[in-house]
Amino acid sequence: SQQGEEDPQALSIQEGENATMNCSYKTSINNLQWYRQNSGRGLVHLILIRSNEREKHSGRLRVTLDTSKKSSSLLITASRAADTASYFCATEGDRDDKIIFGKGTRLHILP
Amino acid sequence: EAGVAQSPRYKIIEKRQSVAFWCNPISGHATLYWYQQILGQGPKLLIQFQNNGVVDDSQLPKDRFSAERLKGVDSTLKIQPAKLEDSAVYLCASRDHRGNTEAFFGQGTRLTVV
Repeated sequence: SQQGEEDPQALSIQEGENATMNCSYKTSINNLQWYRQNSGRGLVHLILIRSNEREKHSGRLRVTLDTSKKSSSLLITASRAADTASYFCATEGDRDDKIIFGKGTRLHILP
Repeated sequence: EAGVAQSPRYKIIEKRQSVAFWCNPISGHATLYWYQQILGQGPKLLIQFQNNGVVDDSQLPKDRFSAERLKGVDSTLKIQPAKLEDSAVYLCASRDHRGNTEAFFGQGTRLTVV
């Protein structure tokens, strides 16, 4: 079963603009992770935020977590053509260490 | 460090045939996952191992899918017999046994059932 639900399903922005993707989930979590997948390739881990954290940064990435609303957002600043990919949120439950993925957001950066 | 290795990269079979996928996780990673990713969807967890024991296989179609992880290292996922709807990318991932760590994914095996 899918735990996370990303929004929007697809997003096209101009190079240099910021991209924001949202993720909602249903059950209590230990952490939430964001992954990137380029077409035809494996998933690459971007960032992990623990349930007791509210915000985390890594380079041009900023992730927020609101456990009261069961939601997270991923912000990519100053987007580049190489950021074109699918982005998935994944949750690790607080009762087991299964990693469950959402349906993903397809991001397209326009030149 | 070497990443997660999967083989083959691509496989085309006819329906009702059998197929097997192989995964070699990162050395020392106790947890191993198999995911099925249908085109345009997110990865769906099929089975999770902790060392050589099954932790969760609730989403594995056990009438046709089987998986094992001998000696707690390499793993194989088998489909017998295959159906058209099994066409997907099969992803293997491994992870340190400690909590709050990322999973490392292989490049996947793209299966086409015709």
